[in-house]
Amino acid sequence: DSGVTQTPKHLITATGQRVTLRCSPRSGDLSVYWYQQSLDQGLQFLIQYYNGEERAKGNILERFSAQQFPDLHSELNLSSLELGDSALYFCASSSGVANTGELFFGEGSRLTVL
Amino acid sequence: GQSLEQPSEVTAVEGAIVQINCTYQTSGFYGLSWYQQHDGGAPTFLSYNALDGLEETGRFSSFLSRSDSYGYLLLQELQMKDSASYFCAVRDRNGGSQGNLIFGKGTKLSVKP
Repeated sequence: DSGVTQTPKHLITATGQRVTLRCSPRSGDLSVYWYQQSLDQGLQFLIQYYNGEERAKGNILERFSAQQFPDLHSELNLSSLELGDSALYFCASSSGVANTGELFFGEGSRLTVL
Repeated sequence: GQSLEQPSEVTAVEGAIVQINCTYQTSGFYGLSWYQQHDGGAPTFLSYNALDGLEETGRFSSFLSRSDSYGYLLLQELQMKDSASYFCAVRDRNGGSQGNLIFGKGTKLSVKP
């Protein structure tokens, strides 16, 4: 158990809909990262937050947005969903203090768009 | 930009040794990380090399050569449970030492009996 909690674990929805994925980082971790993993693909970085502020953006679509709240949990919002958005979405966290190359990943939210 | 290259698939037999190579192109290099991911599971951290040389953790070892922009993960005494995907990763240069990780596409290791 990494200590990172993601909900929901599975989500099935239709094209054009909007969903929200939630992430609670490890206790004390200030940085939250969102990654997308499509079938048999690597981990594509979406966005990073540090202590409530956006820190870095990757290949995140304009239809997607995220935020980190004062209690440090984060939400990833996906709107106008398309079939190609079906993927595993991982949240990861780190302390943001020491660079050990280690991120702690949640179990992921598997999104299926029909 | 940054890029990492690793083989897409490797097959080995139980008890054998396998080496998974990773070459990278990046600036502002901080170190090379390795992650393991079982099918449908969460990536889990294996090792991190910031300096040249070999780091050993049990059956797994990781090597880095900064001058060659090259590293590898060495798995010894392979077990069936080692069948998984293995990813190398580097820090995004724009994120500094606490920035996000850029991952390679992963190497799928199949361990046969």
